Amino acid sequence: QQPVQSPQAVILREGEDAVINCSSSKALYSVHWYRQKHGEAPVFLMILLKGGEQKGHEKISASFNEKKQQSSLYLTASQLSYSGTYFCGIPSRGSTLGRLYFGRGTQLTVWP
Amino acid sequence: GAVVSQHPSWVICKSGTSVKIECRSLDFQATTMFWYRQFPKQSLMLMATSNEGSKATYEQGVEKDKFLINHASLTLSTLTVTSAHPEDSSFYICSARASPPLAESSYEQYFGPGTRLTVT
Repeated sequence: QQPVQSPQAVILREGEDAVINCSSSKALYSVHWYRQKHGEAPVFLMILLKGGEQKGHEKISASFNEKKQQSSLYLTASQLSYSGTYFCGIPSRGSTLGRLYFGRGTQLTVWP
Repeated sequence: GAVVSQHPSWVICKSGTSVKIECRSLDFQATTMFWYRQFPKQSLMLMATSNEGSKATYEQGVEKDKFLINHASLTLSTLTVTSAHPEDSSFYICSARASPPLAESSYEQYFGPGTRLTVT
C-alpha cells in the first residue's frame, strides 16, 4: 500500500522551483503531505481530498489527480527553510481519517 | 496547541531487556494514536494503530507479542519492545489524531519528536 515518490532527492539553489511526485497503484481518496527535518518529527503541510484539487501553503502547493492516482507537490522560489524530507501519505482504503502509509520520501536540499 | 511528546528521547539497552516508550498528547484528546518506526534515510513504516480502551491493530508482519501497545487513557499510549535485539534498533515515532477534531485540521496527524532506540 506504500505510495511511490519521485525523485528520491533534489538539490536546489535558493529561489529555484521543484516538483515532487507521489503515485499509487490503488485508488486514491486523499493524499497527505508532510515535511520532516533531520532528527525532528514530521510536520503536516496539507491534505488533498478531491480530484484535481489544488491547495497552497505559502509558496508550496499541491495537486491531486484521482484518475491518475497521483499527487504532486510544487515548491516555488524555494527558501533555505524548505530543506528536509518530504513524505506523501495515503490512508487505508476508504478512510481519510485512518492509518497512513507513507512513501519513501524525497530529500530536498536548498543551497544559498 | 496540538503537541505530542514522547519519552524517552534516547534509550540504549542491552539485548534481551524490555523498553517502554510513552506517547502523550499534551493539549488534546486522542482516541487513536499510531506507532511508526523509521530506519535511517527511510520512510515511516506504520506498525500499529493504538485505540483507547481496546486492543491495538497491528500491521502485517509486526509481532504483537514483541511490540506491546497499551492505550490506557485519551492522552497516553505506550509501546513496549520486549526482549529487544539489535535489529530492533530504530527511530520510533508516534502520532495522534485529535478527537474531537481540531477545526480545519481534522485530518491531520500530530507527530511526536520520536524515540531513538539502540540495542547493544
